[in-house]
Amino acid sequence: EAQVTQNPRYLITVTGKKLTVTCSQNMNHEYMSWYRQDPGLGLRQIYYSMNVEVTDKGDVPEGYKVSRKEKRNFPLILESPSPNQTSLYFCASSSPAGRTNNEQFFGPGTRLTVL
Amino acid sequence: AQTVTQSQPEMSVQEAETVTLSCTYDTSESNYYLFWYKQPPSRQMILVIRQEAYKQQNATENRFSVNFQKAAKSFSLKISDSQLGDTAMYFCAFMKHNWGNTPLVFGKGTRLSVIA
Repeated sequence: EAQVTQNPRYLITVTGKKLTVTCSQNMNHEYMSWYRQDPGLGLRQIYYSMNVEVTDKGDVPEGYKVSRKEKRNFPLILESPSPNQTSLYFCASSSPAGRTNNEQFFGPGTRLTVL
Repeated sequence: AQTVTQSQPEMSVQEAETVTLSCTYDTSESNYYLFWYKQPPSRQMILVIRQEAYKQQNATENRFSVNFQKAAKSFSLKISDSQLGDTAMYFCAFMKHNWGNTPLVFGKGTRLSVIA
């Protein structure tokens, strides 16, 4: 089954404690992206990756890091989480927009609370 | 930069009735895609329908259809024969067509409640 998986689904942590949210896709997609969803703001892009070892900032990258060492994985790293990073996080993947099917497939979301 | 506006924060509809959710967008791009996503209480983002800007024909998917007005930059979603399972947050989204970064630009969402 084609899917994007995220772990953990729920996480409560404290300010300053480094954490990683994993994202994996089994569709051989080149393009992967992280979004955060906040009430009244919709979803906003944090970081994206066009392919292995190619990553760049989205609209709200402050406080986040990513890596893309393998095509299927795109972890989101919070080196020193703060309460304003409490949010719902989504990973998404797709083939590049130039291909015929550019639907972005979303993971199930990770609810992060930073105390 | 592109923006997407959903002017209806909340809506409700009786079961089996028809409801239309509004979306307008602003862009200088000529080639792009528009989407409606559904987010039920499970929080999963589910693609409902998509429209390529170069296609004049409005997209339809079973009970879901869109009214795409390119000149007016309007992209409304019509849900016919509403069902209780349609209760969800609905997001309109824009994506430009290029070979680089193609983020989805989302509106703030419309919360739809289907009432029995």
